[in-house]
Amino acid sequence: KAGVTQTPRYLIKTRGQQVTLSCSPISGHRSVSWYQQTPGQGLQFLFEYFSETQRNKGNFPGRFSGRQFSNSRSEMNVSTLELGDSALYLCASSLVGAFSYNEQFFGPGTRLTVL
Amino acid sequence: AQSVTQLDSHVSVSEGTPVLLRCNYSSSYSPSLFWYVQHPNKGLQLLLKYTSAATLVKGINGFEAEFKKSETSFHLTKPSAHMSDAAEYFCVVITTGGSYIPTFGRGTSLIVHP
Repeated sequence: KAGVTQTPRYLIKTRGQQVTLSCSPISGHRSVSWYQQTPGQGLQFLFEYFSETQRNKGNFPGRFSGRQFSNSRSEMNVSTLELGDSALYLCASSLVGAFSYNEQFFGPGTRLTVL
Repeated sequence: AQSVTQLDSHVSVSEGTPVLLRCNYSSSYSPSLFWYVQHPNKGLQLLLKYTSAATLVKGINGFEAEFKKSETSFHLTKPSAHMSDAAEYFCVVITTGGSYIPTFGRGTSLIVHP
């Protein structure tokens, strides 16, 4: 069965632009979570979507937003990009539950570089 | 509030020798604890998890971890390292009864020498 896919894999943007990243979960998974990974801050939870509703949100500014579609695919948007947004953005999917109850399956990530 | 500290940023071992990756946690409620592994250019993969059942948890690829409440620790061990174990390892804590937002450790890079 296909794993979690993320597109694009690499992206270069300039400050002030906005970007949209896409995540397709494993078939049948209804929960999608997003994470930011940087050398300075490590891995940080952005938000989780379940059945098209945001269920949990980490401590990130409102420039970071997301949505989930009826087929469970999810997009993450970052507006007004800053240099500090350069990171590996990871998406993970799980069957139904919150992080505690179900194993999360991670995609390979999207490497965003902001110039 | 919850936090997790991985005590070593790098651990270097020889192939065939034991592995110990240390993790201490802080949690206001009963924690769930996880170890994930990240190989270069790949997503994270779950090694094992503790969710208040047996304190000694066995995972994939011969790894295991012991939950010690008195020491607030969840160290990851493996009896014999293999070259393929070289990767970044993350300890993760979630406070059950809280917001279910995971907190990740900063990671430990495991280097395995032939």
